[in-house]
Amino acid sequence: AQSVSQHNHHVILSEAASLELGCNYSYGGTVNLFWYVQYPGQHLQLLLKYFSGDPLVKGIKGFEAEFIKSKFSFNLRKPSVQWSDTAEYFCAVTPRGYNKLIFGAGTRLAVHP
Amino acid sequence: NAGVTQTPKFQVLKTGQSMTLQCAQDMNHNSMYWYRQDPGMGLRLIYYSASEGTTDKGEVPNGYNVSRLNKREFSLRLESAAPSQTSVYFCASHIGDQPQHFGDGTRLSIL
Repeated sequence: AQSVSQHNHHVILSEAASLELGCNYSYGGTVNLFWYVQYPGQHLQLLLKYFSGDPLVKGIKGFEAEFIKSKFSFNLRKPSVQWSDTAEYFCAVTPRGYNKLIFGAGTRLAVHP
Repeated sequence: NAGVTQTPKFQVLKTGQSMTLQCAQDMNHNSMYWYRQDPGMGLRLIYYSASEGTTDKGEVPNGYNVSRLNKREFSLRLESAAPSQTSVYFCASHIGDQPQHFGDGTRLSIL
């Protein structure tokens, strides 16, 4: 069965630190990839998506992610985090042509001023 | 998030009670989904509807039923609530390969 693994369940950073959240998926075919963010008490919002083309994808709020097909990975990065980035981050995958999103367990990020 | 509207936002039930969670979208999306979110487990798919008139089980369908009333509305019913169904429930919709849009969630507690 397809699955998505997020390596870090909790990450604590100071403001201005760099962020990298890992995401790996298990599916051998073509996939669409997503990162969603959930701020405290809110719904999930799309940060960025990858369907095809340039494997380095830029999203909102300075986030970017790199798709490495050979490693089945789609890691999320931000060069300098802010307190307002405190949230839970979810990686999700849809095999191409498949109607369902498969979510990772999420990573809770806490950014201290 | 005017696109996907969920009601109610909060609900407390007693074990054995029934209730229906409502979801409506105004984006003319074909597909709609119900997820539950539990700490450390991400979002797990309960049921989905790929198009009006069809519904299919997801990863955790036991104890739930759904109705795709029309293209806009997709409801989730708990026939006999159990404490294990205490969770936050999210409805989502999308069309084609586009990303899913999520509602604000329903926080459900079952005593």
